[in-house]
Amino acid sequence: EVLLVESGGGLVQPGGSLRLSCVGSGFTFSTFWMNWVRQAPGKGLEWVANLQPDGSQTYYVDSLKGRFTISRDNTRDSLYLQMNDLRAEDTAVYYCARGVAPHNTFDIWGRGTTVTVSS
Amino acid sequence: DIVMTQTPLSSPVTLGQPASISCRSSQSLVHSDGNTYLSWLQQRPGQPPRLLIYKISNRFSGVPDTFSGSGAGTDFTLKISRVEAEDVGVYYCVQTTQYPFTFGGGTKVEIK
Repeated sequence: EVLLVESGGGLVQPGGSLRLSCVGSGFTFSTFWMNWVRQAPGKGLEWVANLQPDGSQTYYVDSLKGRFTISRDNTRDSLYLQMNDLRAEDTAVYYCARGVAPHNTFDIWGRGTTVTVSS
Repeated sequence: DIVMTQTPLSSPVTLGQPASISCRSSQSLVHSDGNTYLSWLQQRPGQPPRLLIYKISNRFSGVPDTFSGSGAGTDFTLKISRVEAEDVGVYYCVQTTQYPFTFGGGTKVEIK
């Protein structure tokens, strides 16, 4: 079974940092684009970032550039999202989603991990 | 950025009746490779999103044939031929033709 499992969410104070992880199984992780998508409470979906299978190329939504960093470790079948200088508006469920080439159709989604930014 | 606009916001439907959701993009989603990277996702209450349709009209594995997608350029439609109780949820269109990828605001399908 193809699975993505996120972890690392939690409660963090404004200005703090958090690192999310996503582990893939049931497929050859190193051959797929991987994405982060977030959903604020009661709101719609927002694409955050993605990166190429070998991790050499990354893309971000402009509003998060400089604060969030996407990375991966294909030896561990893992995707990461380093989030710095967190703000209340970053409160959301963060999903990882597999992207099918050539243009990242989001075919498999994890169940998400919840990030709450609050003092 | 490409803006994706979905209508209606909410669609109350009688069981067994059809439902239709519209998605309009602020610019053409036709990629230089000739393909149109427009997908539809379903999010049931309390669940993560799930892929239904990709490249306008291709049903993903395991998706019942009561779901169909159509359209071209900037106008797209998701149709449910006969709504069942398990179809309740929010439906999103998403474009992955151009960065940044963008989603529609969502359409809530509920039973009358």
